[in-house]
Order: sequence, then structure tokens, then C-alpha cells
Amino acid sequence: GAVVSQHPSWVICKSGTSVKIECRSLDFQATTMFWYRQFPKQSLMLMATSNEGSKATYEQGVEKDKFLINHASLTLSTLTVTSAHPEDSSFYICSARPDRPNPTETQYFGPGTRLLVL
Amino acid sequence: GQNIDQPTEMTATEGAIVQINCTYQTSGFNGLFWYQQHAGEAPTFLSYNVLDGLEEKGRFSSFLSRSKGYSYLLLKELQMKDSASYLCAVRSDYKLSFGAGTTVTVRA
Repeated sequence: GAVVSQHPSWVICKSGTSVKIECRSLDFQATTMFWYRQFPKQSLMLMATSNEGSKATYEQGVEKDKFLINHASLTLSTLTVTSAHPEDSSFYICSARPDRPNPTETQYFGPGTRLLVL
Repeated sequence: GQNIDQPTEMTATEGAIVQINCTYQTSGFNGLFWYQQHAGEAPTFLSYNVLDGLEEKGRFSSFLSRSKGYSYLLLKELQMKDSASYLCAVRSDYKLSFGAGTTVTVRA
């Protein structure tokens, strides 16, 4: 149980384009999902907390107009990187904390999306 | 602010035991997590401690001392597949803050 999927797993795009990444909880519901970014040989940095039915909460230094988050249902959150630039190239990982059917304290991570902006 | 420290690298022999220490200074504490991350993959959950003491789960054990701001992850009977990065993460409110990770290399 507690499986989180992400799509796509790999994206290569041109500078200036927008990229949408989906995060789904497959066997549980989650009011709250989280988006992280990880640069090579560094740890995960929380970008934002996605809340179903309300606006996302962004961490300091993360531009909300550049990283658009939509949490449309209890099983789906999307992150859109708008007008991507080479410095946005990174490993983007989502996580979710189960609310239903069995609430837990643990965040479960998706497999990640590797973004390369040329 | 959050400050979570763990060693950068550790090397051990197959079949041996390795202990990865984590010290933290955070504003608020709602639990400490250990995750394993293989290169290029997402983290997978290993353990969760919210009360002081030792939690054992198969070959992996995790210890917490809240008064000392200290935890360790103990890996026993090391296998080659245990070569990975091990991340210590502290939750305050609902958010996780991660350490930089400890890269463990298991040698035959």
C-alpha cells in the first residue's frame, strides 16, 4: 500500500516552455501533498505544500507564479514549471501523507521527475 | 531555522554493522524519519521515531533521544544492495526538513 506515482518520469524541453508534472496517490487519499526539488548530490528541499481545495503554501524563495500548483482532488496534485529555464533543471519529487483509508504520519514519495531544460 | 547534521559518507564491509548518526536543532519537533535513497530514485521510508528509544525493523533499527536532539540509524548484516544515501528528516508542524544525506558504500 501507500503508492505514489509521478508522470512523466523524464522531461526534456526548450527554454521558455512550460512543463506539467502530475503526482497521484494510487491507493489512498491525501489532503496534503508536498513538492520537493533535489539538485545533484544535495538533499531534498521543500518547495511547497499542496492543499486540496485551497491554495498551496510556498517556501521562502520559491516563486509561486513560476511554480504553479493545483491540488484538484484528494489523489492528484500537479506542478507546472512555467517558462522553464536551464537553471530549473532538477529532480522534482512529490510526496503525500495518507488521510484515508488509514491515516499515517509518514510521507510517501513518488518516483520523481527529472527535468532538463535546454 | 532548521539544522540537521549527518556524516557525508561511510564505508563498510558486507555483513558488518554501520551506524549513521543524525543531530538536529529545529523549531518544533513532531517526529524523526529515516529514508533510503538510491541514486536517481525517490526516497523510500525506513523508520519513524516520535518517542525516545529504539525502534527495530528487521535489519534496520532507529534510535531517538529528543533531549539530546540525536538519532541514529543502525544497519545490520550489510548487503551490497544497502549501498545508498540515507536521509535523516525531522518533522515540525506538518513539514519535513531533510539532512544532506549520508552515502553508505558497502564493499565485498
